[in-house]
Amino acid sequence: SAVISQKPSRDICQRGTSLTIQCQVDSQVTMMFWYRQQPGQSLTLIATANQGSEATYESGFVIDKFPISRPNLTFSTLTVSNLSPEDSSIYLCSVPPAGANTDTQYFGPGTRLTVL
Amino acid sequence: AQKVTQAQTEISVVEKEDVTLDCVYETRDTTYYLFWYKQPPSGELVFLIRRNSFDEQNEISGRYSWNFQKSTSSFNFTITASQVVDSAVYFCALRSHHMEYGNKLVFGAGTILRVKS
Repeated sequence: SAVISQKPSRDICQRGTSLTIQCQVDSQVTMMFWYRQQPGQSLTLIATANQGSEATYESGFVIDKFPISRPNLTFSTLTVSNLSPEDSSIYLCSVPPAGANTDTQYFGPGTRLTVL
Repeated sequence: AQKVTQAQTEISVVEKEDVTLDCVYETRDTTYYLFWYKQPPSGELVFLIRRNSFDEQNEISGRYSWNFQKSTSSFNFTITASQVVDSAVYFCALRSHHMEYGNKLVFGAGTILRVKS
């Protein structure tokens, strides 16, 4: 199994500022996923972060708003830019299975963001 | 297209009752994976089970059991003798085997389970 940590665990930010969320995995993984969970809602994939290449964004999410870095195989950051109250959510990183779709998918503990 | 439907928004039961959470999925793939996750009030997502599309055997783990029926595209989750600690949001999710979908999970809307003492 993979152990995933996220920093910060929670934050309260002012409108117009940015927050960078870090995700650290205890093993090397090719892909890392970033999900958003708005209050009372399900999880929605923001983007897939591949090491050494640009992140792949899902429909409705753009790089200017959610820039992602993936400097190595164990670490990624997601920045939520130009914050508005609508960005208040839990942001979770996730690691896909290590093998050929044979393992579970693990999630970090999440970062709870509140935008005032 | 892939879709997961959890029609039950919220369920309330009294402790020791059995409860079943429904999950219906849609996919055109013949090989796929189904998951259940638990999200307690603390917010973390706890993995409960993964099921491959080619394995229709039902599974039991303690008080938890899962009923996978490909004929009805359902993957229901039953908690026997529910406890207050089972109170959480439960998510059903689907992942395709095919790389065109990457390894992303498609989640249902979630079912809030409240177990009262």
